[in-house]
Amino acid sequence: GAGVSQTPSNKVTEKGKYVELRCDPISGHTALYWYRQSLGQGPEFLIYFQGTGAADDSGLPNDRFFAVRPEGSVSTLKIQRTERGDSAVYLCASSLEMNTEAFFGQGTRLTVV
Amino acid sequence: GNSVTQMEGPVTLSEEAFLTINCTYTATGYPSLFWYVQYPGEGLQLLLKATKADDKGSNKGFEATYRKETTSFHLEKGSVQVSDSAVYFCALNSNQAGTALIFGKGTTLSVSS
Repeated sequence: GAGVSQTPSNKVTEKGKYVELRCDPISGHTALYWYRQSLGQGPEFLIYFQGTGAADDSGLPNDRFFAVRPEGSVSTLKIQRTERGDSAVYLCASSLEMNTEAFFGQGTRLTVV
Repeated sequence: GNSVTQMEGPVTLSEEAFLTINCTYTATGYPSLFWYVQYPGEGLQLLLKATKADDKGSNKGFEATYRKETTSFHLEKGSVQVSDSAVYFCALNSNQAGTALIFGKGTTLSVSS
């Protein structure tokens, strides 16, 4: 596709379960970013990849959150032992390289019940 | 650390009114500044940007000037339309290696005919 694709668009899970959120960036984009957006707030940075490596993971709130990008394209954000406070829209963005325009996906709305 | 502060909304205007959404920032060095927009049901998209002091970004009738002396990047439009109703986010990138976009909390604009 032409844009950043995120799946699923909606995910409802029970407290304590494990979830995976997927991001397909724009082809050829080397930089990939994950953000979390809570209701009424701006996107909060989680982690940034340059190629396959995490260049900055300082935004991950705790060790229940982990993200991978094994082949430098698709990325998966993994959340273990989900809590109700993890409920938010998780946004993915990609850019051709660091510090160039970032293109955002539509997000995955995660609800933990 | 780096941060962005923007005026709280919602901002409610009549069609053809003048719009200003204030944004100020705190950053070391020479950041790039952005305005992103999120239309209802859509993903975040870049509206305009400025990469150095005194630059003016413009797009779709919107303008913002990078003011280093006041650390501001206020968004303006001379005559808003109903179709401008959206959430507007001010953001910065510090341009330092390994850093990503930092967003403000967003300002909701509602334009009525």
